[in-house]
Amino acid sequence: KQEVTQIPAALSVPEGENLVLNCSFTDSAIYNLQWFRQDPGKGLTSLLLIQSSQREQTSGRLNASLDKSSGRSTLYIAASQPGDSATYLCAVYGGNEKLTFGTGTRLTIIP
Amino acid sequence: KAGVTQTPRYLIKTRGQQVTLSCSPISGHRSVSWYQQTPGQGLQFLFEYFSETQRNKGNFPGRFSGRQFSNSRSEMNVSTLELGDSALYLCASSRNRGTGNTIYFGEGSWLTVV
Repeated sequence: KQEVTQIPAALSVPEGENLVLNCSFTDSAIYNLQWFRQDPGKGLTSLLLIQSSQREQTSGRLNASLDKSSGRSTLYIAASQPGDSATYLCAVYGGNEKLTFGTGTRLTIIP
Repeated sequence: KAGVTQTPRYLIKTRGQQVTLSCSPISGHRSVSWYQQTPGQGLQFLFEYFSETQRNKGNFPGRFSGRQFSNSRSEMNVSTLELGDSALYLCASSRNRGTGNTIYFGEGSWLTVV
């Protein structure tokens, strides 16, 4: 059974800093991995989708990497801003054709 | 273009009642999936529909059911509500099934069971 873990559960950093969020998964037989953000009381917004054959994807200040063999992904956020404050979730799409979500990292950017 | 629309956004039901939630996917999207989000269990997959057929199902009791219509709109139903069914129910759509598709979520339906 696929298990997805995100550590830390919460993170606070001063505005302007670069930061890395971590995601690990137990079954490396995945098709893709997605990073989402969720604002309080809202749905999820897709940030980046990485196919299993890819090593990384970039969108603006965000860069996500994938190391399938070790079961790890990271989301790098450059020059953090208060508007980046949200919960970040990773999710893997595996051979069971289901999306399994991590527990999320609650990020707070301190102005 | 309009995003994924879920109705109602908020509702309160009594134990034992049943509830129906609605989801309109992004135009052109044929795959619709449902998720339950609670503080204790996080986001859990309920089921996926594609071309009016349930393609996949999570580990939820039979009280949870759904369907998809020919226009790709979907509904999910929960019968005999329990207090533990209180959650945010999220619908997501993608253009097709499979590995290359970005998934787009709606704002969710907040269900409180009292």
